[in-house]
Amino acid sequence: ETGVTQSPTHLIKTRGQQVTLRCSSQSGHNTVSWYQQALGQGPQFIFQYYREEENGRGNFPPRFSGLQFPNYSSELNVNALELDDSALYLCASSSRDRGFQETQYFGPGTRLLVL
Amino acid sequence: GDSVTQMEGPVTLSEEAFLTINCTYTATGYPSLFWYVQYPGEGLQLLLKATKADDKGSNKGFEATYRKETTSFHLEKGSVQVSDSAVYFCALRAASGGSYIPTFGRGTSLIVHP
Repeated sequence: ETGVTQSPTHLIKTRGQQVTLRCSSQSGHNTVSWYQQALGQGPQFIFQYYREEENGRGNFPPRFSGLQFPNYSSELNVNALELDDSALYLCASSSRDRGFQETQYFGPGTRLLVL
Repeated sequence: GDSVTQMEGPVTLSEEAFLTINCTYTATGYPSLFWYVQYPGEGLQLLLKATKADDKGSNKGFEATYRKETTSFHLEKGSVQVSDSAVYFCALRAASGGSYIPTFGRGTSLIVHP
C-alpha cells in the first residue's frame, strides 16, 4: 500500500469523448506525476505538477491537461479521445523540497478503453 | 534524449535459480536510477534505487549497482521464488530545466516455475 489512490479503476469511452481521471496523493506529498502505460510497454511520462503548477511535460498533445488542487490531489483530463489513448493511466506522488525530489509512489492505475 | 534499454523478456527460470536482468541507460548529467516491479493488475512498486555512481541498491534479496563507466544498472537476485514472477522496469530520473523527468524502459517479464 502506497497511500496513493486513483479513481475510477476502469472506464470505457468512445472516440471523441472527454474523460477525467482522479488521483489522491500520499499524505505529505506536494508533487504528482501522470503516466500513460500502453499494453506491454513501460510508463510514458505525461506531466508533473508541483504545488499546483505544471512542472515538466512529456511528449503528449495539449488535449492532455491536468490540475493539482490545494490538498495536492490531482486530475488528468483528456479531450477528443482517440483509440490509441486506450491504456493504463498511473499517477505517482512524491515530495519535493529545496530542489530535491524524493522517490515516487504509484497508485494502482485507471484502465481506460476507448472504443 | 534520455533513454533506458532493458533486455527483452520473458525471462523464464526455475525456483532458486540466479536472476540477472540487464539495464543500460543514456542520459546527460548524473541521473538517479531505479528498479520498479509491477504485479499483474497492479501499479508500479519501487524495488530499489541508487542515486550516484557505485551506489548499490538492495531490497528483498534484489540488488543493483550504479555503474557509470558502463552506464548500467543490472538487477540481480541469488535465488528467485515463484512469488517474484512479475514485470520489472528499469528507470532513470534526470534533472531538466528545473524539473525531474523520468524515463522508463519497456519492462522485462519474469516467470518463475516451481
